[in-house]
Amino acid sequence: GAGVSQSPRYKVAKRGQDVALRCDPISGHVSLFWYQQALGQGPEFLTYFQNEAQLDKSGLPSDRFFAERPEGSVSTLKIQRTQQEDSAVYLCASSQLAGYTGELFFGEGSRLTVL
Amino acid sequence: AQSVAQPEDQVNVAEGNPLTVKCTYSVSGNPYLFWYVQYPNRGLQFLLKYITGDNLVKGSYGFEAEFNKSQTSFHLKKPSALVSDSALYFCAVRDQGTGRRALTFGSGTRLQVQP
Repeated sequence: GAGVSQSPRYKVAKRGQDVALRCDPISGHVSLFWYQQALGQGPEFLTYFQNEAQLDKSGLPSDRFFAERPEGSVSTLKIQRTQQEDSAVYLCASSQLAGYTGELFFGEGSRLTVL
Repeated sequence: AQSVAQPEDQVNVAEGNPLTVKCTYSVSGNPYLFWYVQYPNRGLQFLLKYITGDNLVKGSYGFEAEFNKSQTSFHLKKPSALVSDSALYFCAVRDQGTGRRALTFGSGTRLQVQP
C-alpha cells in the first residue's frame, strides 16, 4: 500500500487478556518505530527496528510488552496480561533510511481500550 | 536526556492572521527538530525539519519554522492562517549526540482557526 497500515484500528480487551497489534510499513522502509499515545498527550517512544534488528527497546514500559519484526517488514506489538493503564493509541511509523534525519510516516494507529 | 516543551495547549487565531505555535527543546548535543500535524482520525503527518544550515526552514502547506539556538526554540509560523489549518501540532526533537533514533515529542498544541 501507499502508506503505513495498522490493524486492528480498534481493540477492546478485558484486563488480563493478551493483544497483538500489527503494522505494515511502507514497502522498502528500513526503520520502524512503535509509539504509545495516551489521551491528550504526545506520542511516547516504545521501540525501534532497523530491518529485523530491534536496536532500541528502552521505551517498553514493562516485560509485558514485546515487539518483533522477523523479516524486516511487518511488525507486531504484543501486550500480555493487559492492564487498564495500557489503554492508549499505539502508533507505528516507518522511515526510508536508517539515519537520524529522515521524517517518519505514521499509520493511523490502533486504539486499545482495556476494561 | 532530550525533551520538548509546548507551552500552549491551544492557540486561537482568526483566518488570514499570522499564527505562531511555540516549541522549546532541551538536548545535550545539537538537535534535529521536527514539526508534525495530526488531523482528526488521521495519522501524524510530517510538516518540516531542521537538520543544519539556514535557521529558517520552510515546509508543507506554507508553514515555516525558525531555529533559535540561543533560546533553544523552534517556533512554527505561518503568515496567513486558513480554517483548514485547524489541527493538533507536535514538535519533536532528536539529539544528535546520543546515537538514539527515537524522536521525543511534545504534548501538542491545538490550533483553532476561526473564520
